[in-house]
Amino acid sequence: DTAVSQTPKYLVTQMGNDKSIKCEQNLGHDTMYWYKQDSKKFLKIMFSYNNKELIINETVPNRFSPKSPDKAHLNLHINSLELGDSAVYFCASSQEPNSPLHFGNGTRLTVT
Amino acid sequence: DQQVKQNSPSLSVQEGRISILNCDYTNSMFDYFLWYKKYPAEGPTFLISISSIKDKNEDGRFTVFLNKSAKHLSLHIVPSQPGDSAVYFCAARGGSYIPTFGRGTSLIVHP
Repeated sequence: DTAVSQTPKYLVTQMGNDKSIKCEQNLGHDTMYWYKQDSKKFLKIMFSYNNKELIINETVPNRFSPKSPDKAHLNLHINSLELGDSAVYFCASSQEPNSPLHFGNGTRLTVT
Repeated sequence: DQQVKQNSPSLSVQEGRISILNCDYTNSMFDYFLWYKKYPAEGPTFLISISSIKDKNEDGRFTVFLNKSAKHLSLHIVPSQPGDSAVYFCAARGGSYIPTFGRGTSLIVHP
């Protein structure tokens, strides 16, 4: 009964491929997020989706696209993967925009 | 542009002693601060928070202190336990509901 679940946990792929990471939350939260933890360990916001409003971090390449089929899911699709995309990606949700975040366990993406 | 800074990548403490984790911020718009704890292979979990209208918030062994004039906050853990060994992330928000995180401090509590 994991609250925020991400799949897959590990993803190894080659440059140029397209991949998706799925995220589901069973907490009934209205707001979901994608964060990227890079090699320097910073957790950087990529996207936030709240009540059908998508907030995008302008520094995120447009090869990254979030897709939310419903309130419980916020998937991350990545086109034309590059070496620099290698990182740990965390999905999170919050009950309201100002509530603390509940994180998934992360997806470690390795691009070779 | 690091708006939230955790300048100590690691901290080692003896069990039973106090652990003090520090965090500095640069954005004057930040008005709410949070600490998250992360174990290996897991996501961060919320630990404690503080609003800018307060200078202290306590929850059991965990206390967060906020010094607005210095743009500095700290997390105190007393007494420290081996199970507290984890990475601690400081986060801040203001102007936007989306928190900005620091790079974390790895705490090791020795038995």
